[in-house]
Amino acid sequence: EVQLVQSGAEVKKPGESLKISCKGSGYSFTSYWIGWVRQMPGKGLEWMGIIYPGDSNTKYSPSFQGQVTISADKSISTAYLQWSSLKASDTAMYYCVRGASTNDYWGQGTLVTVSS
Amino acid sequence: DVVMTQSPLSLPVTLGQPASISCRSSQSLVHSDGNTYLNWFQQRPGQSPRRLIYKVSNRDSGVPDRFSGSGSGTDFTLKISRVEAEDVGVYYCMQGTHWPPVTFGPGTKVDIK
Repeated sequence: EVQLVQSGAEVKKPGESLKISCKGSGYSFTSYWIGWVRQMPGKGLEWMGIIYPGDSNTKYSPSFQGQVTISADKSISTAYLQWSSLKASDTAMYYCVRGASTNDYWGQGTLVTVSS
Repeated sequence: DVVMTQSPLSLPVTLGQPASISCRSSQSLVHSDGNTYLNWFQQRPGQSPRRLIYKVSNRDSGVPDRFSGSGSGTDFTLKISRVEAEDVGVYYCMQGTHWPPVTFGPGTKVDIK
């Protein structure tokens, strides 16, 4: 069974750094792109970027380029989304999703709250 | 970037009645490989999105056959033949032909009258 399991909810202060994770199982992790999608409170879905764990090829939406970093550790089938300096406007639910054109499996989401 | 639009943005429906959501893209979604990467997702309250339809008209495993997708080029439709209570939620179309970036429609909120 394909599963994407994300790390737990986080509460951070503005300016702090954060790295959240997404662990894949039940399929060949290195053979599928893993993307990240943001959903701000009460809003729609925004695609942030994507990584191919097989060769770490990474692509970003222009809206998120330079704001976040996507990485992966194929040895433990895990993808990451990280911030070096969080802002209040980063408060949102973040989903990892398998595939680029397909988006067939989604993680359960990681809620990130940034508040002073 | 490809802009995705949906209509209506809010859709109150009567149980047992049909419902239809339109999705339009700012350019053709036909890929050079011949496929059209237009997917539909359902997001029930408090849940992660779930894919219902892929490549315009293919239903995912476990998706009831009251859901159907159609369309081509830049115009696409999701239909629910008879709405049930469990269909309440927000529906998004998404294009995966011209990426990066993948782009989603704004969502259509379906609720019961």
